[in-house]
Amino acid sequence: AQKITQTQPGMFVQEKEAVTLDCTYDTSDQSYGLFWYKQPSSGEMIFLIYQGSYDEQNATEGRYSLNFQKARKSANLVISASQLGDSAMYFCAMRGASGYSTLTFGKGTMLLVSP
Amino acid sequence: NAGVMQNPRHLVRRRGQEARLRCSPMKGHSHVYWYRQLPEEGLKFMVYLQKENIIDESGMPKERFSAEFPKEGPSILRIQQVVRGDSAAYFCASSFPPSRGPGWTDTQYFGPGTRLTVL
Repeated sequence: AQKITQTQPGMFVQEKEAVTLDCTYDTSDQSYGLFWYKQPSSGEMIFLIYQGSYDEQNATEGRYSLNFQKARKSANLVISASQLGDSAMYFCAMRGASGYSTLTFGKGTMLLVSP
Repeated sequence: NAGVMQNPRHLVRRRGQEARLRCSPMKGHSHVYWYRQLPEEGLKFMVYLQKENIIDESGMPKERFSAEFPKEGPSILRIQQVVRGDSAAYFCASSFPPSRGPGWTDTQYFGPGTRLTVL
């Protein structure tokens, strides 16, 4: 079984600052993938970034980067230079070989970016 | 390039009625997943389908819920005799065929969701 834990129910950051959203995971699979999704107030789920368990480099996509620490089973999302439009819920999710077809989600972190 | 489409976006039903939720996957995607999001919760997997085949329905409630993905047309999630506890957002996602092993990039892309309210 897989489990995702997001311990921060809410985070506040000022515009243009960087912010880190925490995610830890638990799995017995050797091969797995980690994902971050953004859910703005409009409700859709937007894919942000992917990290494979065998990837040696941390994933980056524009202002998003994933701080992957495999030994600690953490996959924190770093947003650099926050923008007002970054205000949203952020979900960490994973897929492993045992449930290879499905995503297991954390409960999410609400990020609020202030001017 | 259209993304995953879901309709309706909002659906209101009275207790005991049926709800039908539709999902059209992204072009080129043959695999569809349904997830449910209860208020202030993350998404929970319900069912995974490919055309004319249910691959994994381990997250589906045993009664009243069914899903299909016919050869032609959208995937349908059907809830019979809805109850208030069925009120939630239902998301559909699609992907290319998943692969095992390292380096997966068969990301699931989500539709905008259907918000079901049961009165």
